Amino acid sequence: EAGVTQSPTHLIKTRGQQATLRCSPISGHTSVYWYQQALGLGLQFLLWYDEGEERNRGNFPPRFSGRQFPNYSSELNVNALELEDSALYLCASSSGGKVYNEQFFGPGTRLTVL
Amino acid sequence: SQELEQSPQSLIVQEGKNLTINCTSSKTLYGLYWYKQKYGEGLIFLMMLQKGGEEKSHEKITAKLDEKKQQSSLHITASQPSHAGIYLCGAPRRGSQGNLIFGKGTKLSVKP
Repeated sequence: EAGVTQSPTHLIKTRGQQATLRCSPISGHTSVYWYQQALGLGLQFLLWYDEGEERNRGNFPPRFSGRQFPNYSSELNVNALELEDSALYLCASSSGGKVYNEQFFGPGTRLTVL
Repeated sequence: SQELEQSPQSLIVQEGKNLTINCTSSKTLYGLYWYKQKYGEGLIFLMMLQKGGEEKSHEKITAKLDEKKQQSSLHITASQPSHAGIYLCGAPRRGSQGNLIFGKGTKLSVKP
């Protein structure tokens, strides 16, 4: 069974540009989560999508946005990139139906903002 | 706000030795997840604990959640170089569904 996949593996952008990161969940999973892992800050929750809807978002500015498609894959968009957006962005997926579900993570996208 | 504190921050052990990593929460836990991360890579799910006193094992790794559900420990028996990595504990943030908070991680090195 394929795990969570993310693309691209690496992304280099300059300040002010936009970045788009993609995630495909494990087959059968309807929830997708996005996390940011910046140096020195640890893993921080960004967004949760379930059944195509945004269910929750972390303490990040509105220029971090995303969506979930009918096939449950997801896209994270970061507008007006800033240097401090440089981080590893991790996507996770889980099945629905329970309040607390195991979240399975992908390999991540390394975003570098120059 | 709820925080997870891991100890130790880093650990170097000789191959074959046992070790324990702790994760302490500032509030009651409603679930506790253990993950392993190779530097700069994704997280590998190890175990999830939900009930006070619960204990789970997978291969040589055992995790426990204490009765009061505020502390968890991860124990590795007869460590191997393949156990090296960063171990992270995570927990659902109270009042914010879908949101996992994480400890800062414990970096484990295993010397052959």
